[in-house]
Amino acid sequence: GAVVSQHPSWVICKSGTSVKIECRSLDFQATTMFWYRQFPKQSLMLMATSNEGSKATYEQGVEKDKFLINHASLTLSTLTVTSAHPEDSSFYICSASGRAGVVLGNEQFFGPGTRLTVL
Amino acid sequence: QKEVEQNSGPLSVPEGAIASLNCTYSDRVSQSFFWYRQYSGKSPELIMSIYSNGDKEDGRFTAQLNKASQYVSLLIRDSQPSDSATYLCAVTFSQGGSEKLVFGKGTKLTVNP
Repeated sequence: GAVVSQHPSWVICKSGTSVKIECRSLDFQATTMFWYRQFPKQSLMLMATSNEGSKATYEQGVEKDKFLINHASLTLSTLTVTSAHPEDSSFYICSASGRAGVVLGNEQFFGPGTRLTVL
Repeated sequence: QKEVEQNSGPLSVPEGAIASLNCTYSDRVSQSFFWYRQYSGKSPELIMSIYSNGDKEDGRFTAQLNKASQYVSLLIRDSQPSDSATYLCAVTFSQGGSEKLVFGKGTKLTVNP
């Protein structure tokens, strides 16, 4: 249980284009989803937290107009990188946290990640 | 500033040995603590969660928590080459009514056959 999928697993795009990444919780309802970014040899950095049906909360230094987050349902959140530039190239990982009886507490379960390369 | 500190390693142990990974955190009121394993190029995988002082065992893994010392550790018994990965300590911090996970930079473990 507690499986999170992410799509696409990798994407290459030209500078100035927009890229959408989907994150789905497959076998539980995710009350909260998180978006992280990880640069090579660095740890995960939280970008934003989103709860279903409400606006995402962005971390300091993360541009909300550049990284658009939509959490339309308890199983789906999307991250859109708008007008991507080479410095946005990174490993983007979502995680989901939810409650399903006594199975899930506040653990975060991670998707497999999306590797974005902006040319 | 909420901080989670880990020895970056690398930590190298022979197959069959015990690997000991340590982590300290800055916020005394943190309540939830996690260990994740991350293979190169992959996303983190939850190994253990611990919420109370003391030890928690799951198979070859034992997590230890000491809230007074703000210290959490992970022991891996009978280490296997497949355990070679970066181990991330993560601690929840409450901020602005929400709970966030802050990660350490990770300790790279190599288990030598």
